[in-house]
Amino acid sequence: AQSVTQLDSQVPVFEEAPVELRCNYSSSVSVYLFWYVQYPNQGLQLLLKYLSGSTLVESINGFEAEFNKSQTSFHLRKPSVHISDTAEYFCAVSPVGATNKLIFGTGTLLAVQP
Amino acid sequence: KAGVTQTPRYLIKTRGQQVTLSCSPISGHRSVSWYQQTPGQGLQFLFEYFSETQRNKGNFPGRFSGRQFSNSRSEMNVSTLELGDSALYLCASRETTGETDTQYFGPGTRLTVL
Repeated sequence: AQSVTQLDSQVPVFEEAPVELRCNYSSSVSVYLFWYVQYPNQGLQLLLKYLSGSTLVESINGFEAEFNKSQTSFHLRKPSVHISDTAEYFCAVSPVGATNKLIFGTGTLLAVQP
Repeated sequence: KAGVTQTPRYLIKTRGQQVTLSCSPISGHRSVSWYQQTPGQGLQFLFEYFSETQRNKGNFPGRFSGRQFSNSRSEMNVSTLELGDSALYLCASRETTGETDTQYFGPGTRLTVL
């Protein structure tokens, strides 16, 4: 079975500052990893994913995450945040080839302050 | 392509009633999963349907049921509603083409049980 830990329930940060949202996972098999973002009163939007290949993956709005197999981590980073990045971020894991068995972390609220 | 659509977006019911939620997946996607999201329990997997058959089921009572139609549209039913069923219900459709395996989520249905 897989599990996901997001240690930070809330991360306050000032606008234009860098941010890192931490995600660690546990699994006895190879995994896919995902970050989803949820804006207030909306569903989940896929932010980025690691399926295979390069361990550094990027989103179109400046976020990036690096798959670190030895540390079983998939931390999300952005060098300069905007007010509009305020949202809840969920890390998720599934066995390879089985995203129908997606397991989510508890979420991290990124609160960007002016 | 149009995204995952869910109807209705908001519902208010009273205890003891039943409710039906609808989900239309992205065109061409045959797998539909349902999740319940609450502040206390986070995102919990309800069930997955593929080609009109329930393929996986989470740990929810039998009051929660679903079905999938030949056009891949899915419905979820909750009978004998309880206050604790108040939640955001998310539907996800799964893309499995080539090397891609990813779930895409709809905007959700916010159910309030009074």
